[in-house]
Amino acid sequence: KQEVTQIPAALSVPEGENLVLNCSFTDSAIYNLQWFRQDPGKGLTSLLLIQSSQREQTSGRLNASLDKSSGRSTLYIAASQPGDSATYLCAVTSLNTGNQFYFGTGTSLTVIP
Amino acid sequence: DAGITQSPRHKVTETGTPVTLRCHQTENHRYMYWYRQDPGHGLRLIHYSYGVKDTDKGEVSDGYSVSRSKTEDFLLTLESATSSQTSVYFCASGTSGSYEQYFGPGTRLTVT
Repeated sequence: KQEVTQIPAALSVPEGENLVLNCSFTDSAIYNLQWFRQDPGKGLTSLLLIQSSQREQTSGRLNASLDKSSGRSTLYIAASQPGDSATYLCAVTSLNTGNQFYFGTGTSLTVIP
Repeated sequence: DAGITQSPRHKVTETGTPVTLRCHQTENHRYMYWYRQDPGHGLRLIHYSYGVKDTDKGEVSDGYSVSRSKTEDFLLTLESATSSQTSVYFCASGTSGSYEQYFGPGTRLTVT
């Protein structure tokens, strides 16, 4: 079974700082990896999807990278803003489990004005 | 984001009663999913569907059943609710090929 870990569980940074969120997974035979944000009491919003053949994806101030061999993905947020405060979740699908996503427990990010 | 709605958004029910949660999507996505989210566990897959009347079990399927009679609707039924099923339930739909998933707003279910 795929195990997904996100460390740290919580992170607090001053506004304007660049930051990196980490996601690690145990089975490197993944199909894709997706990053989400979740605001308190809300659903998940898709941020970026990286296919297994890709190394990174970018959207605005966000950049996600994927290193299958080491079982890691990072989400880079440039010039953080208070509106970036949320919980960030990563999810992976494995080749062995088809379209079943396995989620990490998330990193709760607070950006201090 | 995909148009995905869930109903009801909040529900309180008693132990032993059946409960049905509804998910509706307007994106004509082939795949639909039900998850539960609990503190310390993250999101866990309950059941998913890969087409009308085609469903399969996920990681935590015991005590739950699903049905999909139309592309746009995916129902989750708790056959006899228990306190351990108190949770926030999320529905998602996904595209073929990339399997990118889009989530609904969630249903908070409390079983007393």
